Amino acid sequence: QSVLTQPPSASGTPGQRVTISCSGSRANIGRGFVYWYQKLPETAPKLVIYKNDRRPSGVPDRFSGSTSGTSASLAISGLRSEDEAHYYCTTWDDNLSDWVFGGGTKVTVL
Amino acid sequence: QITLKESGPTLVKPTQTLTLTCSFSGFSLSTGEVAVGWIRQAPGKSLEWLTLIYGDDDKRYRPPLMSRLTVTKDTSKNQVVLTMTNLDPADTATYFCSHYDTRDDIGFDIWGQGTRVTVSP
Repeated sequence: QSVLTQPPSASGTPGQRVTISCSGSRANIGRGFVYWYQKLPETAPKLVIYKNDRRPSGVPDRFSGSTSGTSASLAISGLRSEDEAHYYCTTWDDNLSDWVFGGGTKVTVL
Repeated sequence: QITLKESGPTLVKPTQTLTLTCSFSGFSLSTGEVAVGWIRQAPGKSLEWLTLIYGDDDKRYRPPLMSRLTVTKDTSKNQVVLTMTNLDPADTATYFCSHYDTRDDIGFDIWGQGTRVTVSP
């Protein structure tokens, strides 16, 4: 069981908006910054959101992040076929002294 | 441009020691603001952080694995070496190294392509 809880799957049609949740606790999301990664098979994870809601250079503004209390969310608007991937949230856990990850959410573009 | 590449054996026997090398370019691992991390992903599983080594040689290890992990750096060669002892089939995974930057809290921003390691008799 992952310390951070994500839904296993999410889906949408092209152009729609998809939101992925990441639930934690006061020891992790409640204290630190949340990061989101996109992972395609056989490729390196790609940082799409850092520091809760910042986009690295080159990441489309269709990707947005937010946090509230002990939860975080990643939203993908204007869904495109190339967005089909696994998405993982992560943050530092003060109690565990560990970078903890969510179990991952598979986004499918229908 | 920052790049990282992992290298090491693809097959290791149980109880043996695994040594992986991360060769990087585009940054210097010489200050406390920059680090290299190791993260792995077992087949069908999520990502799991293993260790961080900062440019000032400060190190962090994942507590449950601390007794089995050692990370070192060779600044002159732009390399970071991860050693994991007493391997088990549960350690079968793809191992990634990543650039980690504390400036602006950007975290693990650039990753290597990963190297697959299988632990089997």
